[in-house]
Amino acid sequence: EDKVVQSPLSLVVHEGDTVTLNCSYEVTNFRSLLWYKQEKKAPTFLFMLTSSGIEKKSGRLSSILDKKELFSILNITATQTGDSAIYLCAVAASYNPLPGGSEKLVFGKGMKLTVNP
Amino acid sequence: DGGITQSPKYLFRKEGQNVTLSCEQNLNHDAMYWYRQDPGQGLRLIYYSQIVNDFQKGDIAEGYSVSREKKESFPLTVTSAQKNPTAFYLCASATGYTEAFFGQGTRLTVV
Repeated sequence: EDKVVQSPLSLVVHEGDTVTLNCSYEVTNFRSLLWYKQEKKAPTFLFMLTSSGIEKKSGRLSSILDKKELFSILNITATQTGDSAIYLCAVAASYNPLPGGSEKLVFGKGMKLTVNP
Repeated sequence: DGGITQSPKYLFRKEGQNVTLSCEQNLNHDAMYWYRQDPGQGLRLIYYSQIVNDFQKGDIAEGYSVSREKKESFPLTVTSAQKNPTAFYLCASATGYTEAFFGQGTRLTVV
């Protein structure tokens, strides 16, 4: 069974702190790993990672994937109260191993981040 | 504007009733997904579909049914067999090689 595990499940920090969110996975036919931020309703896309060791960066957020150890981290530096949200990690896994085959998205339980002023 | 639309935003169901949640996308995406989210939890996969007239069960398909008669539409029916249907339901679509786009969700409450 495909599995995505996030840790910690919740975290409370002060503004200005740096946080690291972890995501490990066990899936058959890995395609990509995605990070989302969910504040109220629809999750919004942050990063998609397909290759090991290549950091993706957007402002104060960055993420990297290790396909050998089967995990990814999401870093947020100089946190702000607006970073308070649930952060979701998802893995796209192919259930049809043929090229261009179909895939499904499996999500972890999410990590609730609270940034206090 | 291209996007994915879920309706209704809020839905109330009496015990023993079936209800259908709508999900429509005009992004020309092949893949569509239904997830359930309980308070403080991540997303759990109910059903997914890659092509018209084909769909696969996710991790928690019991008590739910779907259809994919058109590429744009992937409705989810919550049947009376689902014992604990109160939750937030999210629909998503993707091309398979990009990120998934989500609808705004439907909050279903059993009264």
